[in-house]
Amino acid sequence: EVQLVESGGGLVQPGGSLRLSCAASGFTFSDHYMDWVRQAPGKGLEWVGRTRNKANSYTTEYAASVKGRFTISRDDSKNSLYLQMNSLKTEDTAVYYCARVYCSGGTCYSNTFDYWGQGTLVTVSS
Amino acid sequence: QLVLTQSPSASASLGASVKLTCTLSSGHSNYAIAWHQQQPEKGPRYLMKLNSDGSHSKGDGIPDRFSGSSSGAERYLTISSLQSEDEADYYCQTWGTGTVFGGGTKVTVL
Repeated sequence: EVQLVESGGGLVQPGGSLRLSCAASGFTFSDHYMDWVRQAPGKGLEWVGRTRNKANSYTTEYAASVKGRFTISRDDSKNSLYLQMNSLKTEDTAVYYCARVYCSGGTCYSNTFDYWGQGTLVTVSS
Repeated sequence: QLVLTQSPSASASLGASVKLTCTLSSGHSNYAIAWHQQQPEKGPRYLMKLNSDGSHSKGDGIPDRFSGSSSGAERYLTISSLQSEDEADYYCQTWGTGTVFGGGTKVTVL
């Protein structure tokens, strides 16, 4: 069974840092692209960023709203995805989800997430 | 710029059908999308991948009541025999210069 479990959320002051983790199980983590998505209270889904797999050189991409402040990394040996968040702002307050990009037969379909985690809440407030 | 447009809300009676629309912005009518469901206080769940020709592949355990279709730049999600647990937000998703989400449609079961 595919499982994605986020952790590391909490209350942090503006300007502070936080590191989120996503523990993956039930599939070959190293084969997949992985994304972070967030959802502010009462709002829709907002893409944060992506890390591709080893075959695609672990390249990363970020939304303009977080570029230069957030860093996505992964450790395939630990089946884990990370989101390092620096210089946090109040508008970064949200539930953060990790999501698996659908990959099959060596091809990853960038336009489709096929599994999501349950989310972890980050609150940025003084 | 790639934009996905969804109506904010839709409603239908228990046991009836509802058809949701996700419209791709101009120049992107051949894009595939994915549909996701988010029940209250839960994380999103993948429903299906929907191609421009209307072919679709559903996620694990998704009931046959959920189906997809396409016409031009529009991508549809039809929920038949509405159940109370179908009351949720529904989002469409694709990839442009980054992942793009529609604004979501809140479905109310009357």
